[in-house]
Amino acid sequence: NAGVTQTPKFQVLKTGQSMTLQCAQDMNHNSMYWYRQDPGMGLRLIYYSASEGTTDKGEVPNGYNVSRLNKREFSLRLESAAPSQTSVYFCASSYRGQGLNQPQHFGDGTRLSIL
Amino acid sequence: GENVEQHPSTLSVQEGDSAVIKCTYSDSASNYFPWYKQELGKRPQLIIDIRSNVGEKKDQRIAVTLNKTAKHFSLHITETQPEDSAVYFCAASRRLTGGGNKLTFGTGTQLKVEL
Repeated sequence: NAGVTQTPKFQVLKTGQSMTLQCAQDMNHNSMYWYRQDPGMGLRLIYYSASEGTTDKGEVPNGYNVSRLNKREFSLRLESAAPSQTSVYFCASSYRGQGLNQPQHFGDGTRLSIL
Repeated sequence: GENVEQHPSTLSVQEGDSAVIKCTYSDSASNYFPWYKQELGKRPQLIIDIRSNVGEKKDQRIAVTLNKTAKHFSLHITETQPEDSAVYFCAASRRLTGGGNKLTFGTGTQLKVEL
């Protein structure tokens, strides 16, 4: 039982390159999320998928796109990377819940540097 | 949108002393308040959470209190140990239409427990 798995763990890109960050969970969770973490700013929500087949913008969606491939997988794409997107990216997942908020469980993160 | 403020940004205590971290939130619709611990280079890990229908929750050396009227909540760690040294994040959340929940994080508190 791996929980939330993110790939790759590290990546260096040049400005303008594109790439996709992968996330998969094996906890049968309905909801999945992408966050970025920058020094001194906590974690900020980029996009989320409340359930399979739906996606929506979070706090900082500009420059990103997402795909909820199936119930297990939720990917984040940078179409044209910019130095401002240098960050640590975390994927998380949670149960949908029965009218209650449910805890979010995080992956190990992807450390992305854009030169 | 929701805004979460967290204080202090750094906290240094002697081993065995207590540590208190405080957070305030702005959105009265928020009804779930988790706390995460993040060690250097690792994922955020949920350590305790509280729902808006409860005023206090305890788990061994960790407790969280919530004052809905004042819109603030606090983390209390008693009998601190060196392994408690980490960054702690508070968050406020409300349920999303369609399931899942939207977490807004504070900016974190670096706790250092000195021998």
